[in-house]
Amino acid sequence: GAVVSQHPSRVICKSGTSVKIECRSLDFQATTMFWYRQFPKQSLMLMATSNEGSKATYEQGVEKDKFLINHASLTLSTLTVTSAHPEDSSFYICSASNLAGGDADTQYFGPGTRLTVL
Amino acid sequence: GQNIDQPTEMTATEGAIVQINCTYQTSGFNGLFWYQQHAGEAPTFLSYNVLDGLEEKGRFSSFLSRSKGYSYLLLKELQMKDSASYLCAVKDSNYQLIWGAGTKLIIKP
Repeated sequence: GAVVSQHPSRVICKSGTSVKIECRSLDFQATTMFWYRQFPKQSLMLMATSNEGSKATYEQGVEKDKFLINHASLTLSTLTVTSAHPEDSSFYICSASNLAGGDADTQYFGPGTRLTVL
Repeated sequence: GQNIDQPTEMTATEGAIVQINCTYQTSGFNGLFWYQQHAGEAPTFLSYNVLDGLEEKGRFSSFLSRSKGYSYLLLKELQMKDSASYLCAVKDSNYQLIWGAGTKLIIKP
């Protein structure tokens, strides 16, 4: 149990375009999903926390108008990188907390999306 | 401020035992997590400790001392596939997860 999928796994786009990344909890309902970014050889950096049916909470320094998050259901959250630029190239990872689990809101991670902006 | 400290890198031999330490200073404590992350992949959950003591799960064990703000991850019978980064994360009083920078573990034959 506690499987999280993420799509696409890899995307290459031109500067100025927008990219949407989907995160799905496959076998559990997740009231909360998290979006992280990780640059090479660096630690995870939390970008935002997404709660189903409400606005996402963004970490300091993360532009909410650039990184649009939608959490429309208990199994799906999306991150849209708008007007992407080369400096947005990174590994984007989502995670989800298991609502009904007895494991203290353990975050289960999707496989990540590697974004390259040319 | 909130801080999680782990060694940056460790090296161990296949078949041996290695202990990865994590110390933390956070505003409150609501549990400590260990994750494994292979290069280019997302983290996978290993263990969760909220009470003092040792939690054993096969070849992996995790220990917690809340009074000392200290945890360790113990890996036994090391295999080459255990080469990865190991991330320590603490949930603070606001239930925010504070991440350590990770320990890169290199296993040598």
